[in-house]
Amino acid sequence: DAEITQSPRHKITETGRQVTLACHQTWNHNNMFWYRQDLGHGLRLIHYSYGVQDTNKGEVSDGYSVSRSNTEDLPLTLESAASSQTSVYFCASSVNRNTEAFFGQGTRLTVV
Amino acid sequence: EDKVVQSPLSLVVHEGDTVTLNCSYEVTNFRSLLWYKQEKKAPTFLFMLTSSGIEKKSGRLSSILDKKELFSILNITATQTGDSAIYLCAVGNSGAGSYQLTFGKGTKLSVIP
Repeated sequence: DAEITQSPRHKITETGRQVTLACHQTWNHNNMFWYRQDLGHGLRLIHYSYGVQDTNKGEVSDGYSVSRSNTEDLPLTLESAASSQTSVYFCASSVNRNTEAFFGQGTRLTVV
Repeated sequence: EDKVVQSPLSLVVHEGDTVTLNCSYEVTNFRSLLWYKQEKKAPTFLFMLTSSGIEKKSGRLSSILDKKELFSILNITATQTGDSAIYLCAVGNSGAGSYQLTFGKGTKLSVIP
């Protein structure tokens, strides 16, 4: 079955380290998204991509970057991890614009 | 700034009760409204609504959109403990070729036996 997977599922890192969270989907969806979910804030958009070589900033993009070199993957990089980036991160994909997005299982990141 | 507000933030009901969850929004270039259910992990898709007044139904869940008054409701009849979850409302908005989902903070539903 086609799916969207995130790795790792849990990670603890130190302040200042570079961290990359992986997202891989096998639906051949054009659109991919990264969200973070925090208590009291709900899901907030970090970055998104509409296709290979396309990346766009979302509402809370500072300190994060993404790259899209193929259809299946959208890795999220924290350039220099900060405690404020402790959160649960969700990757999602959709077949095209204005269709439902399907979510991965999430990565719980703790920055100490 | 786009805004999606859900109410109530949390709700406790007994099995068999009927519940109504609310979602109001203020967004530019509205395209769609989506409902998701989030149990312990990933949000799972329930409904997408684009037209006013047309009810979408799946089993005991139903939802309707009012684009004039800018809100949607999600109804769950004959609730079961398995309905306990956070229900997320999201609004899709587009502009300058982009399309984004803006999420509300969710309603936490607890169904007790």
